[in-house]
Amino acid sequence: DAKTTQPTSMDCAEGRAANLPCNHSTISGNEYVYWYRQIHSQGPQYIIHGLKNNETNEMASLIITEDRKSSTLILPHATLRDTAVYYCIVRVGDNYGQNFVFGPGTRLSVLP
Amino acid sequence: DAGVIQSPRHEVTEMGQEVTLRCKPISGHDYLFWYRQTMMRGLELLIYFNNNVPIDDSGMPEDRFSAKMPNASFSTLKIQPSEPRDSAVYFCASSLGVAGDTQYFGPGTRLTVL
Repeated sequence: DAKTTQPTSMDCAEGRAANLPCNHSTISGNEYVYWYRQIHSQGPQYIIHGLKNNETNEMASLIITEDRKSSTLILPHATLRDTAVYYCIVRVGDNYGQNFVFGPGTRLSVLP
Repeated sequence: DAGVIQSPRHEVTEMGQEVTLRCKPISGHDYLFWYRQTMMRGLELLIYFNNNVPIDDSGMPEDRFSAKMPNASFSTLKIQPSEPRDSAVYFCASSLGVAGDTQYFGPGTRLTVL
């Protein structure tokens, strides 16, 4: 079973920041938080991941709370092409015996 | 890099026929994963390989499913005989075997069993 909970769906206005929350209250000390997205009919696309510190790349920012029990993915200026299902996953970074378990994710709709 | 390559992109077959899906991982990646996605069950892991060796096949639904990885650049997922309930999108993914590395997914094969 997925170790994360996410809202089923969210809307965001084009050009605004999209903030997608994720709860992972049972996360262990060596588990990373990963974010993927899946645009209709395509394979899941990696966005960002982190362990403790906040992370930023060309696609998004990841804010992880100090207790690591929740995180937020931020798309700073959402576009229509960001409409997708966003998956938050926790995974042990140094043990490939455990793998990605995809939950239902959050369906983000970016509205014009 | 071309990314993970899967073929065919679409497959339509009749119940009872054998189906073979193919995957070429990203060069240098030593882990390969097969997933299945349906509306009812979402995205679920079927099997994964490390250095061409199957490590965990607990997600394979039944004996009709089999997967092989004869070398580092090629893997197959075979369904024999196929059934309508096998209709789904099948994804292949690969990754490096280092802590914190991520998986990169292919475009998927959409299988329809009539």
